[in-house]
Amino acid sequence: AQKITQTQPGMFVQEKEAVTLDCTYDTSDPSYGLFWYKQPSSGEMIFLIYQGSYDQQNATEGRYSLNFQKARKSANLVISASQLGDSAMYFCAMRGRNAGGTSYGKLTFGQGTILTVHP
Amino acid sequence: EPEVTQTPSHQVTQMGQEVILRCVPISNHLYFYWYRQILGQKVEFLVSFYNNEISEKSEIFDDQFSVERPDGSNFTLKIRSTKLEDSAMYFCASSVRDGSGNTIYFGEGSWLTVV
Repeated sequence: AQKITQTQPGMFVQEKEAVTLDCTYDTSDPSYGLFWYKQPSSGEMIFLIYQGSYDQQNATEGRYSLNFQKARKSANLVISASQLGDSAMYFCAMRGRNAGGTSYGKLTFGQGTILTVHP
Repeated sequence: EPEVTQTPSHQVTQMGQEVILRCVPISNHLYFYWYRQILGQKVEFLVSFYNNEISEKSEIFDDQFSVERPDGSNFTLKIRSTKLEDSAMYFCASSVRDGSGNTIYFGEGSWLTVV
């Protein structure tokens, strides 16, 4: 079973500054994937970035980067140069094996962090 | 860019009525999912579907729920007799493959309100 913990219910950042959203996870699988999704107020779920458990380098995708510390089981999202449009709910999620160990099917989500960007 | 599309975007239904939520996954994807998100809460897995059968389901996905791929493009979630607590955003999602590194892409969601 997998568990994702996001301990920051809400975060505030000034426009153009960087912000880190925390995510810790728990799993016994040797192979897993970590994902971040953005959910604006309109409700859709937008994929941002992926990190594989065996990846040697931290993932980057434009202004998004993932600070992956495997030993600490953390996968924090860093957003550089925040923009007003970054204001949204952010979810950390993990894709690992199912209970029977036969597939990687589902994503397990954290509780989410609401990010507010101030002008 | 290919995307998962869902209809309706919002549906209001009376308690006890049947509801069908429709989805068109990304065309070359083989794995399909339904998730739900009760207002203000985290996203919860309901069911995964591959090769015309359910591959995994959660404890939420009881006998009131069913999924179907009636043709080569649509993927539906049916709730037989809706309850007030079924009010939520329902997300359809799909991925190319089953591996841990394959991204699951979500549709824009269907808001279901049961009154």
